[in-house]
Amino acid sequence: EVQLVESGGGLVQPGRSLRLSCAASGFTFDDYAMHWVRQAPGKGLEWVSGISWNSGYIGYADSVKGRFTISRDNAKNSLYLQMNSLRAEDTALYYCARSSGWYRDFDYWGQGTLVTVSS
Amino acid sequence: EIVLTQSPGTLSLSPGERATLSCRASQSVSSSYLAWYQQIPGQAPRLLIYGASSRATGIPDRFSGSGSGTDFTLTISRLEPEDFAVYYCQQYGSSPYTFGQGTKLEIK
Repeated sequence: EVQLVESGGGLVQPGRSLRLSCAASGFTFDDYAMHWVRQAPGKGLEWVSGISWNSGYIGYADSVKGRFTISRDNAKNSLYLQMNSLRAEDTALYYCARSSGWYRDFDYWGQGTLVTVSS
Repeated sequence: EIVLTQSPGTLSLSPGERATLSCRASQSVSSSYLAWYQQIPGQAPRLLIYGASSRATGIPDRFSGSGSGTDFTLTISRLEPEDFAVYYCQQYGSSPYTFGQGTKLEIK
């Protein structure tokens, strides 16, 4: 069974940093690209960042470029999102999701981890 | 960046009725790389349709997708009680990937 389990969320002050993790199981992790998608409270979905299977392709939304860094460790079946210089508008539920290639749909999603940026 | 606009914002229908949801792109979506997701409150999104018209694994055949270029449609032929949710379209043909703002399908 495919499982994606996010962790690392919490309450953080503006300007501080946080690192999210996504533990994958039930599939061959390095066969897939991985993504972070966020959803602010009561709002829609926003793609944040994605990384190809071998980290050769990496992309970011303009809203996080220069502040967030995506990475993966295929030996640990894990995806990460380093979030620096956090802002109130980064408050959201952060989902990790997989896709079978760089330009592919997101066929499995985790349940998300909540990040709240507030003083 | 490709902007996706979904309409209507809210659709009020009864079980058994047909639902038609629209997604319009600000520029052509390459190779019909357009997906539809369903999100039930409190749950993660679930993939329904990919490649504009292909059903994902396990999705009932009352869900169908159509369209190409800039205009896409999700149709639910006969609404079941579990279909009342929020639906998002997404283009994944160019980065940054983008989502529509969602259509809420509510029980009339």
